[in-house]
Amino acid sequence: DIQMTQSPSSLSASVGDTVTITCRASQGIAHYLAWFQQKPGKAPKSLIFHTSNLHSGVPSKFSGSASGTDFTLTISSLQPEDFGTYYCLQYSSYPRTFGQGTNVEIK
Amino acid sequence: QVQLVQSGAEVKKPGASVKVSCKASGYTLTTYGVSWVRQAPGQGLEWMGWISAYNADTNYIQRFQGRVAMTTDTSTSTAYMELKNLRSDDTAIYYCARGVYNDYWGQGTLVTVSS
Repeated sequence: DIQMTQSPSSLSASVGDTVTITCRASQGIAHYLAWFQQKPGKAPKSLIFHTSNLHSGVPSKFSGSASGTDFTLTISSLQPEDFGTYYCLQYSSYPRTFGQGTNVEIK
Repeated sequence: QVQLVQSGAEVKKPGASVKVSCKASGYTLTTYGVSWVRQAPGQGLEWMGWISAYNADTNYIQRFQGRVAMTTDTSTSTAYMELKNLRSDDTAIYYCARGVYNDYWGQGTLVTVSS
């Protein structure tokens, strides 16, 4: 199984900051990576698919990139509504695997 | 618009089975598959498996093999996930999600397993 190691597990940032979350795959997954945002008590919401493609309606403050097996989600100009837990998902092979999640708090 | 609407919360005893439904609207079910993901209380997301609504092919994570069955009813645009021989650690919210990218999610179904 492909392991997705997500870091950091939590972060606290101020409004207006730019934050980055990383997922490292245990083996190559090409560009088959998605990012999700989950708020407490709610279902996850799709942000990005194919490493860097924004889901419909997702603001351009969210962006994704990759370098080898390292994948990054960047949130620019952090706003209070961006709090929540972020997860990556690899869909290169079965079983699909999620990262452990990153809890983003607003200072 | 695309929507996935899941069935309501369930309370089951250990050893019982549960069947969660996921009704799709706003698109053709057979065009996309359905993934099932669960989330135990306070924990992260766990992918359980996938079903192609086109040909009913399935792929389950190894640890659920033999206990889980995913099906679809294209006549009602509904996907189902049945989990058998429930244990207390199966207590979780179960989500369905559309397609390879999991781009749309159901609202979740809380399954509580308790004696």
